[in-house]
Amino acid sequence: DIQMTQSPSSLSASVGDRVTITCRASQAISNYLGWYQQKPGKVPKLLIFAATVLQSGVPSRFSGSGSGTDFTLTISSLQPEDVATYYCQKYNSAPPGLTFGGGTKVEI
Amino acid sequence: QVQLVQSGAEVKKPGASVNVSCKASGYKITNYAMHWVRQAPGQGLQWMGWINGGNGNTGYSQRFQGRVTITRDTSASTVYMELNSLRSEDTAVYYCARTLQVYYYMDVWGEGTTVTVSS
Repeated sequence: DIQMTQSPSSLSASVGDRVTITCRASQAISNYLGWYQQKPGKVPKLLIFAATVLQSGVPSRFSGSGSGTDFTLTISSLQPEDVATYYCQKYNSAPPGLTFGGGTKVEI
Repeated sequence: QVQLVQSGAEVKKPGASVNVSCKASGYKITNYAMHWVRQAPGQGLQWMGWINGGNGNTGYSQRFQGRVTITRDTSASTVYMELNSLRSEDTAVYYCARTLQVYYYMDVWGEGTTVTVSS
């Protein structure tokens, strides 16, 4: 089974900082990788799909990179409204299905 | 607009079953798949399974195999998730989320249904 590992599990940064979150797959998943943002008490929201494609309406300070096993979500200039937990998810057909990473909590 | 509206909160006793519904509007459920994802208090997201809205085929996480059943009623544009033999560890918020294909990213989510399992 493919495991998804995110790091760090939490981070604290200042407004305007560049923030990078890493997601590693235990086996290659091509670019079948999505990133989701979940603000406290809210529903998860799709930010990026196909590893690098920004979902419509998502601010351009968010970007994704990577392919194969190593992926990155970058927030170029952290804003107060970006306080949230971020999850990566693989969505290829390999077992065990549409697995999520453990999440990264971003605080200011 | 595209929307997924879930049924209300449930409180169940250990050993019971729960059935959560997810009503879609703004699109045809036969053109999409629907997934169920749960989140225990203070924990991360856990994928449970999917249903192909077109042919009704299903797939489940090994973790829930045998305890979860996902069905659909195309005439009602509604997908259902039944979880049996509930235990306290099943206390969580349950979300439905749609994908264009079975193995795809989740672009629209329901608001979540809180299920509490307590004696």
